[in-house]
Amino acid sequence: DIVMTQTPLSSPVTLGQPASISCRSSQSLVHSDGNTYLSWLQQRPGQPPRLLIYKISNRFSGVPDRFSGSGAGTDFTLKISRVEAEDVGVYYCMQATQFPHVTFGQGTKVEIK
Amino acid sequence: QVQLVQSGAEVKKPGSSVKVSCKASGGTFSSYAISWVRQAPGQGLEWMGGIIPIFGTANYAQKFQGRVTITTDESTSTAYMELSSLRSEDTAVYYCARFHGMATMEGAFDIWGQGTMVTVSS
Repeated sequence: DIVMTQTPLSSPVTLGQPASISCRSSQSLVHSDGNTYLSWLQQRPGQPPRLLIYKISNRFSGVPDRFSGSGAGTDFTLKISRVEAEDVGVYYCMQATQFPHVTFGQGTKVEIK
Repeated sequence: QVQLVQSGAEVKKPGSSVKVSCKASGGTFSSYAISWVRQAPGQGLEWMGGIIPIFGTANYAQKFQGRVTITTDESTSTAYMELSSLRSEDTAVYYCARFHGMATMEGAFDIWGQGTMVTVSS
């Protein structure tokens, strides 16, 4: 299985300031069809996960444009340009290149300083 | 808009089984994969297995092979996850999620159920 490693595991951020989360995979996530199936999920306290970003950099429907994704191969980044109170939660990267055997990162907790 | 609605919380004894349901409403059910993901208290997300209803064949994470069975009932647009030989470490919230295809689609879990808490305790 592909191992997904996120850093940091905790990110205290001041409101209005940026935040960045890294995700590294143990092998390339480029699929034989040419796509890279790396997505980012947000989980607010007490709620199910919610899709934010798919295929590295595509924002899902309804996701604010302060969220952006980038990267290639084995290294990926989620950025929040200006953190708002509603962004508090845990963020997970996920690979689906080996679908159906998907794997998640450990999660990064974003909290307000 | 498709919604996934799961069955309610369960309390089970060690060694018993639990069956959680996930009913899809508001859209097509058969052609998309449904996966089950669990989350132990204070822990991360763990993929257990999945199924594409139109094909009917399930795939399972090696960790759960032999203990988990995922099925669907297309007539009611419902997916099921049954976990047997329960132990305290299986105490978790169990989610179903729709995988919205590869290639031209998102290639990600775009819709999630609300979660079902399963508590295993003697």
